[in-house]
Amino acid sequence: QQQVKQSPQSLIVQKGGISIINCAYENTAFDYFPWYQQFPGKGPALLIAIRPDVSEKKEGRFTISFNKSAKQFSLHIMDSQPGDSATYFCAASTIFYNQGGKLIFGQGTELSVKP
Amino acid sequence: DSGVTQTPKHLITATGQRVTLRCSPRSGDLSVYWYQQSLDQGLQFLIQYYNGEERAKGNILERFSAQQFPDLHSELNLSSLELGDSALYFCASSPSPNQPQHFGDGTRLSIL
Repeated sequence: QQQVKQSPQSLIVQKGGISIINCAYENTAFDYFPWYQQFPGKGPALLIAIRPDVSEKKEGRFTISFNKSAKQFSLHIMDSQPGDSATYFCAASTIFYNQGGKLIFGQGTELSVKP
Repeated sequence: DSGVTQTPKHLITATGQRVTLRCSPRSGDLSVYWYQQSLDQGLQFLIQYYNGEERAKGNILERFSAQQFPDLHSELNLSSLELGDSALYFCASSPSPNQPQHFGDGTRLSIL
């Protein structure tokens, strides 16, 4: 019940296209859903996050869509650029519910944007 | 640059040895988290400290221990090392447990 399932494992998109990565969870106590971007040799960097009381959050070219009833959320990268090529991780936590803070991560998606 | 500093960047040692990984959180952050990243297990939460006290424990082996010092830096101690402990170890920090976490660039541990 603590798992977060992420798909696809890898994704190839043409420059200018839309990249879509999906995640699903089971634990309804999760109350915070961040996305992290990781480049080789670097740590995960916080990209964007959402709470379950909103259905969508947009920051620049990055949008999170959240479906509470389906227990799914997704990351959309509009106008994908070669510089977006990285590994993306979704995560979930109960940081507000029990003040715990630990992140449960999906398995990651390796995105490659072709010029 | 996230502001979280981890040392050393790389560590190569042998089975049975003991190592200490160090983490300096971002200025003002009281909460520190340790994660392990491996190819087969992905990113796994190990342990969390808040203002010097252990706050939560995850899939941390008994051979592993951690602490957070009064100056808020944290150390992760790994002992009786096994080949399977080879991984990237990340530290993250946040101002408090209910705020976003920012990660350091990790320590790559290789066991020979």
